[in-house]
Amino acid sequence: SQTIHQWPATLVQPVGSPLSLECTVEGTSNPNLYWYRQAAGRGLQLLFYSVGIGQISSEVPQNLSASRPQDRQFILSSKKLLLSDSGFYLCAWSVPGDTQYFGPGTRLTVL
Amino acid sequence: SQKIEQNSEALNIQEGKTATLTCNYTNYSPAYLQWYRQDPGRGPVFLLLIRENEKEKRKERLKVTFDTTLKQSLFHITASQPADSATYLCALEGAAGNKLTFGGGTRVLVKP
Repeated sequence: SQTIHQWPATLVQPVGSPLSLECTVEGTSNPNLYWYRQAAGRGLQLLFYSVGIGQISSEVPQNLSASRPQDRQFILSSKKLLLSDSGFYLCAWSVPGDTQYFGPGTRLTVL
Repeated sequence: SQKIEQNSEALNIQEGKTATLTCNYTNYSPAYLQWYRQDPGRGPVFLLLIRENEKEKRKERLKVTFDTTLKQSLFHITASQPADSATYLCALEGAAGNKLTFGGGTRVLVKP
C-alpha cells in the first residue's frame, strides 16, 4: 500500500531563517506531487505541483520554492522566512486524474 | 476567475439528523468534484468523487449530488454521529487532471 511521510511535524523558526520541508511517498511510481498551505481556519492553497522529476509548477508567487530531486521526494524550501509563511503545510500525491492523498502535515510557526 | 464557495459558518446538528453541506462554483467546467474530511491538525482524507456525468453517488451514510447546470454539489451525512464532527472540503479538478482547487470548508459539529 501507499504511504506518504512529511517531516518535521512541527517547526518554529525565526524570521529570516531558511526552511526545508520534506515529503516522501512509498508504494507508487511517478506520482503527481503537491504542496499546499493552510492558514488557520482557512482552506487549502496550492503552492506547487510536480508531474515528474525536476518538473515544478508554481501557483502562487512567493518566497518559497520547491524541488523534486527524486521520483517520490518533494521538498519545499525558503531562503528567508517571513511572518506570513506561518501555517500548516501539507504534501499530497495522486495518480493523474485520481484523488489526492495527503500527508500528516507540518505546522510551521515563524516568530 | 474560478471560484468555489462553501458555507463558512459551522453547521451544528443533532445526532441522528441529516447534515447537508453545499458547494457552489463559478467559472468552472470541472471534470469531477471531490469531497474530503479534515480533522483538526490533520491532513484531509478523501471521501467521495463524483464525475460530471453522474448525478448522485453514495458511500455508506454519505451521499453526494452534482448538478452541473446549477454548478452545485450537495453533500449529505445521514444518521449523523458525533464522530462525524469535522471540517468537510469540496474540491474541483479541471479536465487537465493535474490540480485540485479547494473550497474553504464547512465545519460540522454533531451534538449527542
